[in-house]
Amino acid sequence: GESVGLHLPTLSVQEGDNSIINCAYSNSASDYFIWYKQESGKGPQFIIDIRSNMDKRQGQRVTVLLNKTVKHLSLQIAATQPGDSAVYFCAENTGNQFYFGTGTSLTVIP
Amino acid sequence: DVKVTQSSRYLVKRTGEKVFLECVQDMDHENMFWYRQDPGLGLRLIYFSYDVKMKEKGDIPEGYSVSREKKERFSLILESASTNQTSMYLCASALSSYEQYFGPGTRLTVT
Repeated sequence: GESVGLHLPTLSVQEGDNSIINCAYSNSASDYFIWYKQESGKGPQFIIDIRSNMDKRQGQRVTVLLNKTVKHLSLQIAATQPGDSAVYFCAENTGNQFYFGTGTSLTVIP
Repeated sequence: DVKVTQSSRYLVKRTGEKVFLECVQDMDHENMFWYRQDPGLGLRLIYFSYDVKMKEKGDIPEGYSVSREKKERFSLILESASTNQTSMYLCASALSSYEQYFGPGTRLTVT
């Protein structure tokens, strides 16, 4: 199976600071990546995606960076808010299947 | 907005019982998926389906079966529930091989 992992299982940031969540993937053939946010007791919610022909993609307060050379994906959240507290995990698409990381728990300190 | 609903949020069943988990999506998506989510293991694919009456095994199909009689509905069946099937079960649907939309999950406890 694929290996999709996160560098840190937990992350605490002060409200207003920027957050960076990292993800490593192992299959260089993966061509599509997604970041999900999962709040306690809820299903994963799509945040942002990026295709392998891109290095960077920006959304509202979020940016995803893809470094194919080292097979690394990161999610940057600008001006982190208490509502951003959740588990974040990445997913890579290889063929027709997705493989998911185990997640990083982000806690925003007011 | 895409809506994926699951029949139960919480379910408690006894060992050996047959368990049905239902998932319905309202966006006419071809692809539907069943995952289980366990602490430290992330989401693991149980089964998926690309069309009505079609099904494919995922990474951990043992002990499970699925049914897709209608495009909008994908059911996960535990033929004889066991305690190691206690988990959070997540259903997802997708238009193609891209963004998956998840339901709220069913937390199943097998005693």
